[in-house]
Amino acid sequence: SQQGEEDPQALSIQEGENATMNCSYKTSINNLQWYRQNSGRGLVHLILIRSNEREKHSGRLRVTLDTSKKSSSLLITASRAADTASYFCATDKAAGNKLTFGGGTRVLVKP
Amino acid sequence: GAGVSQSPSNKVTEKGKDVELRCDPISGHTALYWYRQSLGQGLEFLIYFQGNSAPDKSGLPSDRFSAERTGGSVSTLTIQRTQQEDSAVYLCASSPPARETQYFGPGTRLLVL
Repeated sequence: SQQGEEDPQALSIQEGENATMNCSYKTSINNLQWYRQNSGRGLVHLILIRSNEREKHSGRLRVTLDTSKKSSSLLITASRAADTASYFCATDKAAGNKLTFGGGTRVLVKP
Repeated sequence: GAGVSQSPSNKVTEKGKDVELRCDPISGHTALYWYRQSLGQGLEFLIYFQGNSAPDKSGLPSDRFSAERTGGSVSTLTIQRTQQEDSAVYLCASSPPARETQYFGPGTRLLVL
């Protein structure tokens, strides 16, 4: 079953614009991760934020976590055509445990 | 270094046949996970191996599904008497000791006719 819900389901933006997507989850978590998937194949880890953290940055990525609202957001700044992909949030309840994924957001960055 | 590899990349089979999917994790990674991604169900956890501990099989959808991990390395996911609803991309991931990040393989796309 899906732990998280992501919105929007799809997002289309111009190159250079920012892309923001949100993830909500239902139960307590150990940490929340964001992954990217190109062309329906393997997932690539982007960033991990722990339950006691509120914000984290990595390059053009900014992730926030609000455990009181059980939600997270991923912001991609100055988007590029190469950022076109599906983005998934994933949570686990304990370190090294199985991940529960959200439904994903499909992002299209138009050149 | 080499990432997680999976074979075959694609598999087409007839309903009722058995299939075996293979995963080679990154060397030194103690945890290995299988997930399934289908249009209707999204990304679902199937099974998880951690070192020598008993695997967490809580995500296996039926007793037609089983998995082994030999020697703490290579894993095989077996689906017996395949059904059309088993059609999906099967993803394997591994992670190093005491780390939460999972490294995914490219997946096996299974089509059951």
